[in-house]
Amino acid sequence: AQKVTQAQTEISVVEKEDVTLDCVYETRDTTYYLFWYKQPPSGELVFLIRRNSFDEQNEISGRYSWNFQKSTSSFNFTITASQVVDSAVYFCALSEGRTSGTYKYIFGTGTRLKVLA
Amino acid sequence: ETGVTQTPRHLVMGMTNKKSLKCEQHLGHNAMYWYKQSAKKPLELMFVYNFKEQTENNSVPSRFSPECPNSSHLFLHLHTLQPEDSALYLCASSQVAGGLGNNEQFFGPGTRLTVL
Repeated sequence: AQKVTQAQTEISVVEKEDVTLDCVYETRDTTYYLFWYKQPPSGELVFLIRRNSFDEQNEISGRYSWNFQKSTSSFNFTITASQVVDSAVYFCALSEGRTSGTYKYIFGTGTRLKVLA
Repeated sequence: ETGVTQTPRHLVMGMTNKKSLKCEQHLGHNAMYWYKQSAKKPLELMFVYNFKEQTENNSVPSRFSPECPNSSHLFLHLHTLQPEDSALYLCASSQVAGGLGNNEQFFGPGTRLTVL
């Protein structure tokens, strides 16, 4: 069965430190998509990145970078030089297609990141 | 307005009340979703609508009744709720929900529901 595990419930770092949020997934499909979302205190989830299962190239966007490794079924997210504004709950999500033409979208339990000034 | 809006932002209701949550998206998307977010639990997908048709119901109790009159509006009608239904209810939209599900979702700010 498909599953997304974010083992880190809460992480606290001091501003300017680097931090990595872990995401491990399980799926039987060969075609699937992985996502990261950020949920600031305001409540709405904000899309950060999408990666499909055929593209293992790592991605960097400013201070954010993502490391996708199919061999370990992991899709980890690193924030470099963290800032107080990065404080939020971060969710990893998996979607995979089904024969019915719909898809299943599964979220992890989230990691709460606290960046201290 | 832009993005995904939800009203009300906060709602307190008794177990015998009937209320409705409203979601509106201004992104031209054709899929809309309801999620429930409880403390210390994963985000739970409740319903999916694709081109106004319900394509997913994740064994949600009948006291939650969704309605999607068009691709831009989604409602969640609530009646005879239980205290354990207290949670943040999030609405989201995306481009076509069918196929491989490769589309990111855009979320509203949520409605914080408290059932007394």
